[in-house]
Amino acid sequence: EADIYQTPRYLVIGTGKKITLECSQTMGHDKMYWYQQDPGMELHLIHYSYGVNSTEKGDLSSESTVSRIRTEHFPLTLESARPSHTSQYLCASSGDSWTGVGEQFFGPGTRLTVL
Amino acid sequence: QKEVEQNSGPLSVPEGAIASLNCTYSDRGSQSFFWYRQYSGKSPELIMFIYSNGDKEDGRFTAQLNKASQYVSLLIRDSQPSDSATYLCAASWGKLQFGAGTQVVVTP
Repeated sequence: EADIYQTPRYLVIGTGKKITLECSQTMGHDKMYWYQQDPGMELHLIHYSYGVNSTEKGDLSSESTVSRIRTEHFPLTLESARPSHTSQYLCASSGDSWTGVGEQFFGPGTRLTVL
Repeated sequence: QKEVEQNSGPLSVPEGAIASLNCTYSDRGSQSFFWYRQYSGKSPELIMFIYSNGDKEDGRFTAQLNKASQYVSLLIRDSQPSDSATYLCAASWGKLQFGAGTQVVVTP
């Protein structure tokens, strides 16, 4: 079944740790995205990729980095986590449509808490 | 100015009534428009998309698009308590731009 997966779903870690949030999709999409969302607040795009070896920063400045070595995999890394990184991180993917950008499908999210 | 604007709400709707949500966008080059529903603590899920001017119906949901006025709306008929959520409008012009969302509360 075509889907988009994120692991871990919940993560509680201490300040200064390096973390990687995993995102994989079996939908065959070229485009993938990372959003950050605090409770009750709007989505903020932090990274996106339109294909292998292509990554761009989004609208919200983030200390995280991403990589896109395989089409189906788009991990996000924080080299040194801080309490300000506490948030929900959502991964999404989209295919192409005649308008150029198709609808985005979201993973279940990772809720990160940095102590 | 945000590129996609929505009233943040909350929009309080009696059970069984019609909920009307509005969204405006700034880029006339926008080609396609999407409505997502997001329950608290969950990820957004796609409800509908619309490309052409006019109405598009899917069950209890109707999306309306007016490109000349640069607005898109969502009607939820026969609102149920399970419709209580935040509804996100998104417009596409190269990449998808999301609005901040409108919170809908359906009261029994």
